[in-house]
Amino acid sequence: KAGVTQTPRYLIKTRGQQVTLSCSPISGHRSVSWYQQTPGQGLQFLFEYFSETQRNKGNFPGRFSGRQFSNSRSEMNVSTLELGDSALYLCASSSPGGLRINEQFFGPGTRLTVL
Amino acid sequence: SQQGEEDPQALSIQEGENATMNCSYKTSINNLQWYRQNSGRGLVHLILIRSNEREKHSGRLRVTLDTSKKSSSLLITASRAADTASYFCATQNSGNTPLVFGKGTRLSVIA
Repeated sequence: KAGVTQTPRYLIKTRGQQVTLSCSPISGHRSVSWYQQTPGQGLQFLFEYFSETQRNKGNFPGRFSGRQFSNSRSEMNVSTLELGDSALYLCASSSPGGLRINEQFFGPGTRLTVL
Repeated sequence: SQQGEEDPQALSIQEGENATMNCSYKTSINNLQWYRQNSGRGLVHLILIRSNEREKHSGRLRVTLDTSKKSSSLLITASRAADTASYFCATQNSGNTPLVFGKGTRLSVIA
């Protein structure tokens, strides 16, 4: 099976712009989670989507939003970018059942730089 | 907010030595997981231990869990240069809740 893919891999934006990141989960996985990783705050959970519904949400401002499509692909959007949004954004998918139910499979990440 | 706290923050050892990393957490958990991250890439799942388990092995990895002390340790035996990476513990309170990660231990294995 192909792994989790994220596009684009690298992105440079300026303050005030908006950005959309995309994540394609492993085939058959219905849960997609997003994380932000920065040197200062570490890995922080943004949100999780399961079957097109947001199931969990982290403690981020409303500028961060996401959605999931019927094929389980997910997008996250950040509006009105701030310098502090510069980070590695990681997407992870997980299986709906089986022995590896709680294991998350991560994509390579999107490196966002806000200037 | 961070649930897990890894210790040490950084560790440097010679190839062939064992590496031990510790993780402490604050609230009751359903399971605890260890992940590896190579230099700014995605995370790779290493091992999951459930709250009713005390020890698990996978190849050169050994994980212990002490729920009374709210702590876990990851032991990598006979380390290799390729084990150089950051290692994170992550806890899950129940089946469908998000993973909460610690800040990680940076391991350097010197050939």
